[in-house]
Amino acid sequence: NAGVTQTPKFQVLKTGQSMTLQCAQDMNHEYMSWYRQDPGMGLRLIHYSVGAGITDQGEVPNGYNVSRSTTEDFPLRLLSAAPSQTSVYFCASRRSTATISYNSPLHFGNGTRLTVT
Amino acid sequence: DQQVKQNSPSLSVQEGRISILNCDYTNSMFDYFLWYKKYPAEGPTFLISISSIKDKNEDGRFTVFLNKSAKHLSLHIVPSQPGDSAVYFCAASARGSNYKLTFGKGTLLTVNP
Repeated sequence: NAGVTQTPKFQVLKTGQSMTLQCAQDMNHEYMSWYRQDPGMGLRLIHYSVGAGITDQGEVPNGYNVSRSTTEDFPLRLLSAAPSQTSVYFCASRRSTATISYNSPLHFGNGTRLTVT
Repeated sequence: DQQVKQNSPSLSVQEGRISILNCDYTNSMFDYFLWYKKYPAEGPTFLISISSIKDKNEDGRFTVFLNKSAKHLSLHIVPSQPGDSAVYFCAASARGSNYKLTFGKGTLLTVNP
C-alpha cells in the first residue's frame, strides 16, 4: 500500500493563477480531508468528504473547491491563488464505517508546499 | 477561538529522561483525543489516542493521561530518545461532528543526546 499520495511536493504560483493539488489513497477509506498548516497555527481543516459525491466545508474553506468523484481521489482546487494561501497542504484519510466509528486515526500524506507570490 | 491548546511551543529534554507534553481543551463535547508526531518534510503520523471513558492509555514508551474535569491531557514519553525529536500535535473530535478533528498548534520536542 502506498497510503496517501500527494502531488506535487512543491509549487510556486503567481497571484491569480489556478491549480489543483492532487490526493489519492489506496486504502479504500471513505473519509478524506484537506488541512493546511501555517506557522503558529497548527493544522486547520479546509474541506472534507465522507464518501464519493459528498463534500462539506471545514474551518477555512474560502478560496478552495473540492469534489469527490471516486473513493480514491480528493483533489483540492485553487481557482485564483492569493498570497494568503501560501502554506503547506496535507491530505488525510481514514475509515469511517459504522463499526469503526469516528475514532479511527487519520493517515496523512507528506504534504504539498505551496508559495503564492 | 482555539478549542485545543498546546501552550508550550517547545520543550527540550535530556535523553533517557521523561518528556511531558500538555494539551488543554475547551469544548466539553470532545470525547476522543489523539496525539500525532510530525517530522520535518513529512506528514503527521498517529501516535496514541484515548477515549473519554478512560483516564489512561499506554503503548510502549508512550502514555496519554486524560483529566476530564480539568479538560486536560498529557503525553508522557519514557525514556525519551533522540529519535523522538519532532513536533507533537494534540487533536480532539466530538461525536456527531462529522468526523472532524481539531488540532492544537503543536509542541516541538527536542531530545538531546
